[in-house]
Amino acid sequence: DVKVTQSSRYLVKRTGEKVFLECVQDMDHENMFWYRQDPGLGLRLIYFSYDVKMKEKGDIPEGYSVSREKKERFSLILESASTNQTSMYLCASSFSSLGGTFFGQGTRLTVV
Amino acid sequence: AQSVTQPDIHITVSEGASLELRCNYSYGATPYLFWYVQSPGQGLQLLLKYFSGDTLVQGIKGFEAEFKRSQSSFNLRKPSVHWSDAAEYFCAVGAAGSARQLTFGSGTQLTVLP
Repeated sequence: DVKVTQSSRYLVKRTGEKVFLECVQDMDHENMFWYRQDPGLGLRLIYFSYDVKMKEKGDIPEGYSVSREKKERFSLILESASTNQTSMYLCASSFSSLGGTFFGQGTRLTVV
Repeated sequence: AQSVTQPDIHITVSEGASLELRCNYSYGATPYLFWYVQSPGQGLQLLLKYFSGDTLVQGIKGFEAEFKRSQSSFNLRKPSVHWSDAAEYFCAVGAAGSARQLTFGSGTQLTVLP
């Protein structure tokens, strides 16, 4: 089975802190994604990557950056966390759309 | 730009009753369509997908969905709901030929009464 693993299920950080969310997939997928999930808004794409060191902005990239140094790992970085970044963050990966997109368990981030 | 509308924010059904969750999409070409389910505190699990061919697709857990091009719809159905089906359901659309990104609907929360 495809496995997408996010390093933390729950995180609490202070305003202004630099926050790293890590994601690892074990199926050699080309594509990796970071989504943010908020009630009533569904999932919104923050960034995605289709190859090592490649990244593209999604719908809501402001306040975030990403890093993909290895194919299996995709990191989301909050340079200076703010309270409006309190949310559920979901990492996902896919080889192509034909196989579907696979999600991690999510990281619930609270910024206080 | 592609978009997805799930008009029902919350649906309540009794266990054993039939279920239909609505999904309407907007996309200029042939879409790739997906339904995902999310149990509380979990990530999303793929229920089923449509790319082409038979417009009625079968998925896991007894779910099915029907693609209706004329109505731009991809509704999810289950003939008899189980208590364990209580979850949030998301419809998503991807671009045919380059579906690295999915656009999700806002979700439908399903409550199942005993």
